[in-house]
Amino acid sequence: GENVEQHPSTLSVQEGDSAVIKCTYSDSASNYFPWYKQELGKRPQLIIDIRSNVGEKKDQRIAVTLNKTAKHFSLHITETQPEDSAVYFCAAFKAAGNKLTFGGGTRVLVKP
Amino acid sequence: GAGVSQSPSNKVTEKGKDVELRCDPISGHTALYWYRQSLGQGLEFLIYFQGNSAPDKSGLPSDRFSAERTGGSVSTLTIQRTQQEDSAVYLCASSLVGVLETQYFGPGTRLLVL
Repeated sequence: GENVEQHPSTLSVQEGDSAVIKCTYSDSASNYFPWYKQELGKRPQLIIDIRSNVGEKKDQRIAVTLNKTAKHFSLHITETQPEDSAVYFCAAFKAAGNKLTFGGGTRVLVKP
Repeated sequence: GAGVSQSPSNKVTEKGKDVELRCDPISGHTALYWYRQSLGQGLEFLIYFQGNSAPDKSGLPSDRFSAERTGGSVSTLTIQRTQQEDSAVYLCASSLVGVLETQYFGPGTRLLVL
């Protein structure tokens, strides 16, 4: 089955700096890669996603890149703000089986 | 529109008792997923329902765990003879398979087994 590795597990950045989280996946058939943000005590919420026919996608201060050949994808948050502090999960999905496999999560702390 | 809802929001039970957790998916969503999230940990897949197909139970940790989905909508996750290690947040998610794979999560049920 699919295996998703996520790094780092914790990330501390100064407000205004950038944060980068990296994920790798094992199944080349995976074709959809969402990122979820989970604030303390809240449900995971989708913040951005990318499909395998696209190499990069941007939405304001967040962007995601995908390298299908290397089977890795990354989340980039620019100009970080304290409200970006949360746990971020990457995931990989393939149509066969309709299963979303999550990475282990990255706890991001933005220091003011 | 209404999102995914779950009940109860919190459940405290004694070891050995059975519990039932409920999930109401977004109306029209054909796929429903259950996950477990232990404190400070990631999301552990438990079970997946899609339409009238047989569910994918590959993530259920033991035969004490079962789930059903009646009428293709509401789902119930049952844990029999609860153990302390079952304490976790149980999250339900739904999606519109074939159109958008995006999963939308419910608020979760926080289960504490004493």
